Amino acid sequence: DIVMTQSPDSLTVSLGERATINCKSSQSVLYSPENKNYLAWYQQKPGQPPKLLIYWASVREYGVPHRFSGSGSGTDFTLTISNLQAEDVAVYYCQQYYTTPMCSFGQGTRLEIK
Amino acid sequence: EVQLVQSGAQVKQPGKSLTISCEGSGDTFGSYWITWVRQMPGKGLEWMGRIDPSDSYTDYSPSFQGRVTISADKSTGKSYLQWRNLKASDTAIYYCAAFLRHCTYGVCLNSYLEFWGPGTRVIVSS
Repeated sequence: DIVMTQSPDSLTVSLGERATINCKSSQSVLYSPENKNYLAWYQQKPGQPPKLLIYWASVREYGVPHRFSGSGSGTDFTLTISNLQAEDVAVYYCQQYYTTPMCSFGQGTRLEIK
Repeated sequence: EVQLVQSGAQVKQPGKSLTISCEGSGDTFGSYWITWVRQMPGKGLEWMGRIDPSDSYTDYSPSFQGRVTISADKSTGKSYLQWRNLKASDTAIYYCAAFLRHCTYGVCLNSYLEFWGPGTRVIVSS
């Protein structure tokens, strides 16, 4: 099983600043024939279901603001939120979907505004 | 776009049975698989299992195999999550999520969870 570990568990960032969330997988999620990383990011606001933000590690879902970006390859990935807005307060999860049938999620990172 | 509607919150006693549902709609829903995800109070997301509604092919996480049953009715576009013997530890929010299976180089792999239902809160308490 692939274990996903996020860091930090929580962070507090000022409005307009940048937030960086890291995700590390216990083994590579890069599928070499495609050169694609099977890694997604989700945002879960209080009282709401998760929402897909990023897939294939760096592809922004339709409608997601450009201040959200994903990067990384292999085992190390980063979600960056630039120009932090109040509505970005949420818990963020990474997910690997490299393995089938099971996928696995990171433990989540809570983002708050300073 | 796919829309997922889930059944309402449930309060049940331990030992009872329960079935909750997830109904999908939208032009392309028929191509999507359904995954069920558990979120215990104050905790993260856990993958429970998935089903292809077109033929009811199902996979389970080892953690949930034998504890729950995932099913689907292709004619109604509904997927179901069933318990026969609820425990207090089943108290959680249960989400259904839809994904398109990703097939490449002759292999069908997993994919990201594109659409999510609002969740069904299940409380198991005596």
